[in-house]
Amino acid sequence: AQSVTQLDSQVPVFEEAPVELRCNYSSSVSVYLFWYVQYPNQGLQLLLKYLSGSTLVKGINGFEAEFNKSQTSFHLRKPSVHISDTAEYFCAVSLNDYKLSFGAGTTVTVRA
Amino acid sequence: DAGVTQSPTHLIKTRGQQVTLRCSPKSGHDTVSWYQQALGQGPQFIFQYYEEEERQRGNFPDRFSGHQFPNYSSELNVNALLLGDSALYLCASSLRSRSYEQYFGPGTRLTVT
Repeated sequence: AQSVTQLDSQVPVFEEAPVELRCNYSSSVSVYLFWYVQYPNQGLQLLLKYLSGSTLVKGINGFEAEFNKSQTSFHLRKPSVHISDTAEYFCAVSLNDYKLSFGAGTTVTVRA
Repeated sequence: DAGVTQSPTHLIKTRGQQVTLRCSPKSGHDTVSWYQQALGQGPQFIFQYYEEEERQRGNFPDRFSGHQFPNYSSELNVNALLLGDSALYLCASSLRSRSYEQYFGPGTRLTVT
């Protein structure tokens, strides 16, 4: 079985400051990893994905994430956030099967 | 290029009733997955359809059923609604060959009273 732990339920951050959202997963085999963003009253938008290759992946809106196999982590970062980055962020894993397993989410609130 | 669409946007039902939610996949996609997202939680996998068959199912009771049509669109049916079924229901589409790479619709907000 696979599970996903997002270590921070809420992250307040000032505008133009950096942010890191932490995600750990448990799996005995290789997985595919994803970060999604959910704006209020909307569905999920794919930010970035790790399938194979380089452990540093870049996504949309200036986000990037680093896959660390030894620590089974996939932390999301952005060097400078904007007010518009206020949203819920979900880490998800797939064991090359049909479904995505999601973490509980991290609420990012960007303040001026 | 149209993305994933879902209808209706919002729905209010009474306990014990039945509901049908609809989803049209992204153009070119042949696989549809359904998720339930309770308030303040991450989405939970309900089931996935490909070639009009249920391919995998999450830990949901038989009250939850689905269907996929030849044009790849899909329906989610929930019978005997409970208060706990109140949630955002998300549809995601993908290619069968890359079924883990899913694109989500805006969701249907179901409220059971």
